Amino acid sequence: DAKTTQPPSMDCAEGRAANLPCNHSTISGNEYVYWYRQIHSQGPQYIIHGLKNNETNEMASLIITEDRKSSTLILPHATLRDTAVYYCIVRARMDSSYKLIFGSGTRLLVRP
Amino acid sequence: NAGVMQNPRHLVRRRGQEARLRCSPMKGHSHVYWYRQLPEEGLKFMVYLQKENIIDESGMPKERFSAEFPKEGPSILRIQQVVRGDSAAYFCASSPFVPSGNSYEQYFGPGTRLTVT
Repeated sequence: DAKTTQPPSMDCAEGRAANLPCNHSTISGNEYVYWYRQIHSQGPQYIIHGLKNNETNEMASLIITEDRKSSTLILPHATLRDTAVYYCIVRARMDSSYKLIFGSGTRLLVRP
Repeated sequence: NAGVMQNPRHLVRRRGQEARLRCSPMKGHSHVYWYRQLPEEGLKFMVYLQKENIIDESGMPKERFSAEFPKEGPSILRIQQVVRGDSAAYFCASSPFVPSGNSYEQYFGPGTRLTVT
């Protein structure tokens, strides 16, 4: 079972920031937080991941709370092409199988 | 650098036939993962393979499903005697070898959509 909780759906206006929350209250010290997205039944696309520090790349920023029990993915200037299902996943650093366990995700709709 | 390739992209089989799904990982990647996505559901892990080895098959149905990743050539997911419930999108992902304890990402292919009639 997924170890994360996400709202089923959200929407935001094009050009505005999209802030997608994720709760992972049972996360342990050796687990990373990963974000993927799936655009209309395509293969999932890696976005970003982090352990305890905030992270930023060309796609998004990841803010992890100090207690690591929740995080927020930020798309700074959402476009229509960002409409997708966003998955927040925790994965053990030492998990020998390396599998990703997907939950239901958040369906983000970017409005024109 | 070509991404993960899967073929065929669409596959139609009648009940009882066999389905073979192929996955070519990204260049330099030695780890392959298969996931299944039923309509309107999230992805479910099936199997994790390295060259000539099955590392974790905890998500594979016990019967009719098998996977391999030979020394040469693509990884193959094989479904024997398909049933309507096997209709789904099957995604393959790959990653490079990473020393234990380090983080990495998996890169996904476009998927194979299997329809069983």
